[in-house]
Amino acid sequence: SQQGEEDPQALSIQEGENATMNCSYKTSINNLQWYRQNSGRGLVHLILIRSNEREKHSGRLRVTLDTSKKSSSLLITASRAADTASYFCATDAASGGYQKVTFGTGTKLQVIP
Amino acid sequence: DVKVTQSSRYLVKRTGEKVFLECVQDMDHENMFWYRQDPGLGLRLIYFSYDVKMKEKGDIPEGYSVSREKKERFSLILESASTNQTSMYLCASSLNKWGKNYSPLHFGNGTRLTVT
Repeated sequence: SQQGEEDPQALSIQEGENATMNCSYKTSINNLQWYRQNSGRGLVHLILIRSNEREKHSGRLRVTLDTSKKSSSLLITASRAADTASYFCATDAASGGYQKVTFGTGTKLQVIP
Repeated sequence: DVKVTQSSRYLVKRTGEKVFLECVQDMDHENMFWYRQDPGLGLRLIYFSYDVKMKEKGDIPEGYSVSREKKERFSLILESASTNQTSMYLCASSLNKWGKNYSPLHFGNGTRLTVT
């Protein structure tokens, strides 16, 4: 079963605007991660937020986590054309003591120059 | 830098064939994962392994098996390929065994498998 669901499925913005993507998940987690995927390539890790954290920043990225609502958001500020990609949230939940990482369905972001 | 290498970028197989997808990582990672990616469905976990010769079913293991004889190599096997297994297959690895530790996944570039 899919653990995470991203919203929106697709997002188109102008360069310089902010982009916000949301993720909802179903079960309790150890941490939540965001990944980026350029077309036809593998995923690249962007940022991780632990279950006891509420907000985290990395450069132009800001991630929030609300474990009571089982949701997270990724904000990309001052977007650039190079930010065009698909973005996935991934939840990390111990399964029998082992790392089991499941992904959402992704948000396709297009940044128009 | 961690490198995860998938043996084929594109693969075309016939229905009923036995298919092997190979994945090798060069950073002594304990955990390895196989996902398939389909439009609108995101990434779905097929199998994962936390140690040599150990494996765990993911969310969609039916029609697949895996092999991990050496720490650096994790193979995905389609015993009898079917057209509904046409997909992009992504392999990943991570360092730590316990999910509470910071342990991002490192991905290969994927194998696009077409079953005709």
